[in-house]
Amino acid sequence: AQKITQTQPGMFVQEKEAVTLDCTYDTSDPSYGLFWYKQPSSGEMIFLIYQGSYDEQNATEGRYSLNFQKARKSANLVISASQLGDSAMYFCAMREGRGTSYGKLTFGQGTILTVHP
Amino acid sequence: GAVVSQHPSRVICKSGTSVKIECRSLDFQATTMFWYRQFPKQSLMLMATSNEGSKATYEQGVEKDKFLINHASLTLSTLTVTSAHPEDSSFYICSFKGDPTEAFFGQGTRLTVV
Repeated sequence: AQKITQTQPGMFVQEKEAVTLDCTYDTSDPSYGLFWYKQPSSGEMIFLIYQGSYDEQNATEGRYSLNFQKARKSANLVISASQLGDSAMYFCAMREGRGTSYGKLTFGQGTILTVHP
Repeated sequence: GAVVSQHPSRVICKSGTSVKIECRSLDFQATTMFWYRQFPKQSLMLMATSNEGSKATYEQGVEKDKFLINHASLTLSTLTVTSAHPEDSSFYICSFKGDPTEAFFGQGTRLTVV
């Protein structure tokens, strides 16, 4: 079963507008972490934001915020005031539990965001 | 955040040859490292978990004899693609396990087998 689902293969947004990238997840572990990464064409993985399963507040980092709805198992990324440099592939990822496999990330399919001037 | 150095960033090799990719942590020690593979415009898929001083754990479907992983020190892990074929052409990226809220990635290696 898919653990992380990103249903938007591509998204378009006008410069300076806000955009929401969807992410839903599936886990039975009460302890998990959710990440969003940006991957430009160079391939590097740029960390954007983190939300822990026990965090009560939605995470925010500058123009990035995570809309965490635990009961719905969704962790959407909101980018405010889009910039041309935001055009890239965006991945949602999950880290589960503890133990020897702790630390590995399971990634969603990714969403290609294109910002238009 | 921590710095992870991955080399080479790009490599082109002939079919049948082997290629070694290095991943080094520059400012911290890591007992565990992860190797991912990514095909164009697709997701990152975990290949294996590398533990310092012990054998790597491979994900289902990943050939351990083809993708040799060595984690001989707390700051260095290597992935060797043996007898490479065109279907091995891909983007390979390493990640060190950091604190619970972070994962540190290398810059990635784009492998092309001709």
